[in-house]
Amino acid sequence: GAVVSQHPSWVICKSGTSVKIECRSLDFQATTMFWYRQFPKQSLMLMATSNEGSKATYEQGVEKDKFLINHASLTLSTLTVTSAHPEDSSFYICSAIQGMVANEKLFFGSGTQLSVL
Amino acid sequence: AQSVTQLGSHVSVSEGALVLLRCNYSSSVPPYLFWYVQYPNQGLQLLLKYTSAATLVKGINGFEAEFKKSETSFHLTKPSAHMSDAAEYFCAVSEGGGFKTIFGAGTRLFVKA
Repeated sequence: GAVVSQHPSWVICKSGTSVKIECRSLDFQATTMFWYRQFPKQSLMLMATSNEGSKATYEQGVEKDKFLINHASLTLSTLTVTSAHPEDSSFYICSAIQGMVANEKLFFGSGTQLSVL
Repeated sequence: AQSVTQLGSHVSVSEGALVLLRCNYSSSVPPYLFWYVQYPNQGLQLLLKYTSAATLVKGINGFEAEFKKSETSFHLTKPSAHMSDAAEYFCAVSEGGGFKTIFGAGTRLFVKA
C-alpha cells in the first residue's frame, strides 16, 4: 500500500530555534497534504492544507507565520516551526492524498514528537 | 459544519469480550465516515471507511462498523477483543467529495487479561 514517510520521528530543540519536519509520499504523488497537531491524550487538530505549488490554507487560529508550510513537489511537504517555544511542544502528523480521489486514499505519516526546551 | 462526537474517552473490556466504541456525527451532506487506530507515538492507521455504499462496513483486524443515518451514528464493534487491540481509536468525518477530515476526541481502549 501507499506509504507516507515523516521525518524526524523525534526532535528536541532549544527555545527560539526553528525546526523543520518533512512529509514524503514514497510511492505516489500527493497533490494535497495535511498537517495535524495532537496534544497528549487529545484528538488531531487540523492545522493546514498544503497544495503542491500553491500557498497552504491554514485553519482558523493557526499562525501562518509561526508554522510555515511548503509543498514544493508532488512528493514532499515541509512544516517549519519558527522560533519554537515550549508551548509548541506537541505531536505533529502529516497525511497525504493520492491523486484527486477523495478521502479513502488518505495516508498518514508516523508523526513527529517535538519537544521545545 | 461537520462534527464528530465519541462517547467515552476510555473503554475497558476483558480479552474475548465484545468491543463497542461509539461515534455520532453531524454533517449537512452525506458524509464519508472513518475509524482510525493509533498506537503510542505513531501515526494513524485506517481501520475502515464508509463512503455511501453498504451500511455495514468491515475493516481490518476483525473490526466492523454500521452506518445508521437515522441515528447519525457509526459505532465500531469487534466480537472478541484481543490484547493487541489496546490503542486509541478515532472516528472521523468528511463531507462527500471533500478532503478535509474532522476527527473525534478519541477513545482509549483498554483490554484486560
